[in-house]
Formats: sequence, structure tokens, C-alpha cells
Amino acid sequence: AQKVTQAQTEISVVEKEDVTLDCVYETRDTTYYLFWYKQPPSGELVFLIRRNSFDEQNEISGRYSWNFQKSTSSFNFTITASQVVDSAVYFCALSEVYMEYGNKLVFGAGTILRVKS
Amino acid sequence: GAVVSQHPSWVICKSGTSVKIECRSLDFQATTMFWYRQFPKQSLMLMATSNEGSKATYEQGVEKDKFLINHASLTLSTLTVTSAHPEDSSFYICSARNAPGTSGGETQYFGPGTRLLVL
Repeated sequence: AQKVTQAQTEISVVEKEDVTLDCVYETRDTTYYLFWYKQPPSGELVFLIRRNSFDEQNEISGRYSWNFQKSTSSFNFTITASQVVDSAVYFCALSEVYMEYGNKLVFGAGTILRVKS
Repeated sequence: GAVVSQHPSWVICKSGTSVKIECRSLDFQATTMFWYRQFPKQSLMLMATSNEGSKATYEQGVEKDKFLINHASLTLSTLTVTSAHPEDSSFYICSARNAPGTSGGETQYFGPGTRLLVL
């Protein structure tokens, strides 16, 4: 069975600090996708990144970066120079590839990030 | 691109009434739509998966007669909470996905959610 673990329930940082959100996953599939979503207080889930299991290159997008390591089944997310607007709940998710009726997403429990000014 | 809308954003109703929530993909064709429920400070719980033109597939423990899902077109899915009761109060979120193999077909894009309060 697929499982996503976000061990950090809540993290508080001061603005401009770097912060890493951990994500560990379990799957028997060799082909899968990993995702990060951001849920600000408004409630809408914002898609941040998708990574397929064959692409272990790390990715950087502005202040965001992601470290995917299959050897440890981890897909960690780092925010550099955090800002108050980064305060949100962040979800890591895993899905199978190309199921006939849509890839179900398995979500982690989420990590609440609070950035204080 | 990949915008999903939901309507209404808020609904307050009396116990026993039915509530319909619409989910629309605005700039892409949503072959598959998903309905989730989220309780405060918890993760998302998948309720059902719907494909255009076919019956929805419900997750275990979700009452299909209670939560009616219709996916009549490639851009619209509706969730009707029938005979709503206070325990149905929650945050309902839909997501939409294009067909596998298409651009963005592997990614679910989420609507802004609907907060339902049943009195």
C-alpha cells in the first residue's frame, strides 16, 4: 500500500530563515509521481511541483527547491529566505501512474509552516 | 492555465436540505474529477473519483446515496449532499485532471473549496 509520511506537524521560523519540510513515502510501484501542494489559510490547494520516479534531478524554482532521493524514499522541500506569505499547510502526495480511472493521490498529513516577521 | 472553480464557496443550510456544489475546469478538459473532504487541521480524504459520462467510484465508507456525484461534461462535475445533517459540515474540495498522456494529465488541480455548515 502507498503511504506518505510528513513527520513534522508544525514548524515555526523567523522570516528570512531557511526551512526544510520532510516527506517520506512508501510504494511498491516502480513508476509513480510525487507532488507538493500548498494550502494557504484561504483553503485552496496550490500545485507546486510534480516529479516522476525516473527523474531524480533536484529542482529549484525561485526560493523553492526540492530534493528527491529514491534511495531513502524521500522528497524534501526547502524554502530559502522564508517570508510571511509562505505561512501555510504544505502537503506532500504520491500517485500511481496511468491508472485507468485517474491517479489517486495519497496525501501526507501535512506540515503547518508559520513564518513570523 | 489549469484553473478549477467551485461554487458556492460558502453554504449554510438547515438540516434535512440538499446542497449542490459545482466544480468546473475553466481552461482544460477534465477527463477525471475528484471530490475530497477535509476536516479542520486534517489532511484531505478522497470521497470519490468521477469520469465524464460514467458512474463515480466511491471510496470505502462513503455513502453513494448520500453524496451524489454527476460528471456530465468534460468541464463540470457536481456533488450533491442529500438530506444534509450537522455531521456533514466540512470543507469540500474538488480537483480535476486531464487525460493521462496529455499535458498536465498527471497532475490534479484543485478548486478553492466549499465550506458547508449544516445547522
